[in-house]
Amino acid sequence: DAKTTQPNSMESNEEEPVHLPCNHSTISGTDYIHWYRQLPSQGPEYVIHGLTSNVNNRMASLAIAEDRKSSTLILHRATLRDAAVYYCILQGNTGNQFYFGTGTSLTVIP
Amino acid sequence: NAGVMQNPRHLVRRRGQEARLRCSPMKGHSHVYWYRQLPEEGLKFMVYLQKENIIDESGMPKERFSAEFPKEGPSILRIQQVVRGDSAAYFCASSLLAGGPDTQYFGPGTRLTVL
Repeated sequence: DAKTTQPNSMESNEEEPVHLPCNHSTISGTDYIHWYRQLPSQGPEYVIHGLTSNVNNRMASLAIAEDRKSSTLILHRATLRDAAVYYCILQGNTGNQFYFGTGTSLTVIP
Repeated sequence: NAGVMQNPRHLVRRRGQEARLRCSPMKGHSHVYWYRQLPEEGLKFMVYLQKENIIDESGMPKERFSAEFPKEGPSILRIQQVVRGDSAAYFCASSLLAGGPDTQYFGPGTRLTVL
């Protein structure tokens, strides 16, 4: 299983941008990078995914390093509802299951 | 379009009893995954099923646990003779396609407590 490494916790002030890092130095050329988040007492929720190029959607942006050994999830303006555990996950194109790490617990300060 | 549904949301069993967890995937999805989350930990993959077939059960304990996804009806995760260590949140996810980068949609989970 390809491994990801994330900080255990981060804090952000409300309405400020948040950059959540993820290291995945053993990533293979065909692995996709997925980000999910889990709010308290809920199931994980899809945030964004990418392969090589940076990606944007209504929730967030994903910046992928040129060597693909790291990526950063960017929340442009953190809100209190963004407080959650954020998981960075690698998925190969021959495997369907996700391998979750311990994730980053994001606290948003009003 | 209803999301992934799981029931029951909470289940309490005494040691030695059986637990049955049900998962209805999103409409049109034929790929189902089960994950287990112990307290203060991340999710751990258990099993991946397509209609009537188990594709990958590498994460499922060899004994007492079984899963099925029949042609009609929900997917079932069955735990026989539960023990206290089975207490966890069990999440089901479904996807439309096989392989990356298809998005998996997760249900709200079933929280199993074994007394």
